[in-house]
Amino acid sequence: DSGVTQTPKHLITATGQRVTLRCSPRSGDLSVYWYQQSLDQGLQFLIQYYNGEERAKGNILERFSAQQFPDLHSELNLSSLELGDSALYFCASSVERALSGANVLTFGAGSRLTVL
Amino acid sequence: DAKTTQPNSMESNEEEPVHLPCNHSTISGTDYIHWYRQLPSQGPEYVIHGLTSNVNNRMASLAIAEDRKSSTLILHRATLRDAAVYYCILRDVVGEKLTFGTGTRLTIIP
Repeated sequence: DSGVTQTPKHLITATGQRVTLRCSPRSGDLSVYWYQQSLDQGLQFLIQYYNGEERAKGNILERFSAQQFPDLHSELNLSSLELGDSALYFCASSVERALSGANVLTFGAGSRLTVL
Repeated sequence: DAKTTQPNSMESNEEEPVHLPCNHSTISGTDYIHWYRQLPSQGPEYVIHGLTSNVNNRMASLAIAEDRKSSTLILHRATLRDAAVYYCILRDVVGEKLTFGTGTRLTIIP
């Protein structure tokens, strides 16, 4: 158990639907990152939040959005789902009290989304 | 983040040392070298990181070339549980994210 909790573990839904993935960071970690891993794309960075504020954005589609709440948990919202959105979605957290390349990330076990 | 180059796959015998290479010829002076691994059906897991000097921890050792343009992750005695995809990543001082490449798929032969 890495200390990063992601729910649900598995989710099956239909095209056009909307889902929410939830992440609870490791205790004491202020930053949350979201990554998408599909078979043909590898691990793609989506977005990062630090203490409630968006810090960095990657290849996140406009149909996707995220937020980090005051208790530091984060949610990734995926809407108007397409078949190609089927993937593993990972959340990671980091302490990052200061901006440093030495900060390491702790990943959760992921949420597997299947869009039919 | 600067680019890294790793072999797509490697094989090693169980209980032998494994040396996983990584080239990063465009590394900047403030880039840290991070290694993560991803076991089957799991999220990535931090292995080790370093800046200039060689580093050791309970999982592995990281050997960094003097010019920092390459590094090697060393697993001293591979077990079957070390079979995973290993990612070498550069992260600069003000970097906000880790950018994963394709990594090296390590197969351990019993």
